[in-house]
Amino acid sequence: KAGVTQTPRYLIKTRGQQVTLSCSPISGHRSVSWYQQTPGQGLQFLFEYFSETQRNKGNFPGRFSGRQFSNSRSEMNVSTLELGDSALYLCASSLGADATNEKLFFGSGTQLSVL
Amino acid sequence: SQELEQSPQSLIVQEGKNLTINCTSSKTLYGLYWYKQKYGEGLIFLMMLQKGGEEKSHEKITAKLDEKKQQSSLHITASQPSHAGIYLCGADGTGGFKTIFGAGTRLFVKA
Repeated sequence: KAGVTQTPRYLIKTRGQQVTLSCSPISGHRSVSWYQQTPGQGLQFLFEYFSETQRNKGNFPGRFSGRQFSNSRSEMNVSTLELGDSALYLCASSLGADATNEKLFFGSGTQLSVL
Repeated sequence: SQELEQSPQSLIVQEGKNLTINCTSSKTLYGLYWYKQKYGEGLIFLMMLQKGGEEKSHEKITAKLDEKKQQSSLHITASQPSHAGIYLCGADGTGGFKTIFGAGTRLFVKA
């Protein structure tokens, strides 16, 4: 089975721009979660999608949004980029039937640099 | 909201030595996960503990869950350079959060 695939691997943007990141989960997994990782804040939960619906949401501003398609692939969008959005964005997939007690499978991440 | 505190923040050990990493929760633990991350990469699942007193092992890594203390420990025996990386504990969040994570422990193993 192919693992979780995130594209692109690296991205450089300037302040004020917007960016879209993509995540393809493991085949058969219906839940996709997104995390932001920075040296200062660690790994912070952004949101989780299950069967095309946002099931859980972290404490991030509305500039961060996401969606999930019928094939479980997910995209995350950040609008009006700020310098502080520079981070490693990780997505994780799981079967999703149980919102808890689930092993997460992570992609390699997208390293976003905002200049 | 629940928080997970890990200690130590970083650790440098000589190859062959044993080490322990701790994870303490601010709220009752109903389950705890351990993941390992290589720098700039995604996380790799190590093990999940669901019951108080539960202990699991994977190769030379052993983890225990102490529900009363709201704590888990990860022990590595006879460390090797391949053990180097960031170890993160995680727990299912409350209030609509998916899995939340501690800040991580950076492990360096000197050959």
